Amino acid sequence: GAVVSQHPSWVICKSGTSVKIECRSLDFQATTMFWYRQFPKQSLMLMATSNEGSKATYEQGVEKDKFLINHASLTLSTLTVTSAHPEDSSFYICSASERRNSGGYTFGSGTRLTVV
Amino acid sequence: GNSVTQMEGPVTLSEEAFLTINCTYTATGYPSLFWYVQYPGEGLQLLLKATKADDKGSNKGFEATYRKETTSFHLEKGSVQVSDSAVYFCALRRVYNQGGKLIFGQGTELSVKP
Repeated sequence: GAVVSQHPSWVICKSGTSVKIECRSLDFQATTMFWYRQFPKQSLMLMATSNEGSKATYEQGVEKDKFLINHASLTLSTLTVTSAHPEDSSFYICSASERRNSGGYTFGSGTRLTVV
Repeated sequence: GNSVTQMEGPVTLSEEAFLTINCTYTATGYPSLFWYVQYPGEGLQLLLKATKADDKGSNKGFEATYRKETTSFHLEKGSVQVSDSAVYFCALRRVYNQGGKLIFGQGTELSVKP
């Protein structure tokens, strides 16, 4: 079945630095990828929709200059958290939609970001 | 707008008990409905789905039926195991194009005791 690889699985960084998270579709082409944020014991909050070759569409309240999304190819999307602060600490999850998919999405295993 | 409401957790059951996790939705048109499961520290895995009214999704002993008249998609399993302990998310997707985004419920934590 479809596999989405997300890397790294966890990262600790200092305040003020930037962190890049990668999301790769391993055996299918993903025209659309989604980035979510999840706080402990809470549901997933959609941050943005990433379309290959075009600018990402951000949800209301998500700072596009802080959470940079790039979807340069049909198999790779990246999320860069710029000038990270402790409040950016969270679990980030990507998902991908296969081009001819009839309805399902495949999720990455998530990235635990801790900003100290 | 579109939304999904799940019963609050945590739900604690003994092994082999019957499980029901309620899910209702609000949506215009005819959404597809999903149940996802999240094990600790991991991403989400698709458990089952239904794309039209009266469809029944099933997988690993779990079932859910798309009920348009009650706008519900309740998750059931006849006999739970300790390994079923996880957080379960109900979700909908408007099928207006192949890139439609998922809208999740708040999640229901299930804990199964031996």
